[in-house]
Amino acid sequence: DAGITQSPRHKVTETGTPVTLRCHQTENHRYMYWYRQDPGHGLRLIHYSYGVKDTDKGEVSDGYSVSRSKTEDFLLTLESATSSQTSVYFCAISRTEMNTEAFFGQGTRLTVV
Amino acid sequence: GQQLNQSPQSMFIQEGEDVSMNCTSSSIFNTWLWYKQDPGEGPVLLIALYKAGELTSNGRLTAQFGITRKDSFLNISASIPSDVGIYFCAGHPIQGAQKLVFGQGTRLTINP
Repeated sequence: DAGITQSPRHKVTETGTPVTLRCHQTENHRYMYWYRQDPGHGLRLIHYSYGVKDTDKGEVSDGYSVSRSKTEDFLLTLESATSSQTSVYFCAISRTEMNTEAFFGQGTRLTVV
Repeated sequence: GQQLNQSPQSMFIQEGEDVSMNCTSSSIFNTWLWYKQDPGEGPVLLIALYKAGELTSNGRLTAQFGITRKDSFLNISASIPSDVGIYFCAGHPIQGAQKLVFGQGTRLTINP
């Protein structure tokens, strides 16, 4: 295993509630990414981080925020969950932006009702 | 933002057949990567390409980095049942190289 853990693995939440997903790595990799996967859309980048406290937006960042206060943890927060945010969320890590070894977590299935 | 157009979206083939899929972009990429995803799992890296024109193999899989740096293809020879899954192309664009963007995926189904 690549040493990357996502939690929780499954969550059901109500519209309007805040939700935080956690990605934890034990590889000391610099880069961390959050993606969402929906049928027909592949994996779409939400936010990414290139170091502690260094984050940037991806292509579908609206409604999401992230934080990285230490190398090993990258948190994705939905401030007020909506049904359109029902999806499978994947975290990925890589040593550098050019590195081949971009490892993925097992995913978090989030359902907003 | 950068978009990767992957085709075909799905393929239905017989066991033993060869498979070919490709990925194109309107912008230049530094790196092309090919991943496979099994149901309920995260994507797993198959092949990574770093230079224009590079041709790399991994067992029955062969991938190439297009000369224009705007495309890549993946071939699978003599398909077997465990090749079933979704294949994704991905890459680091030259503009915004810290991002890793993905295509929409090719779903491969194999009839025994």
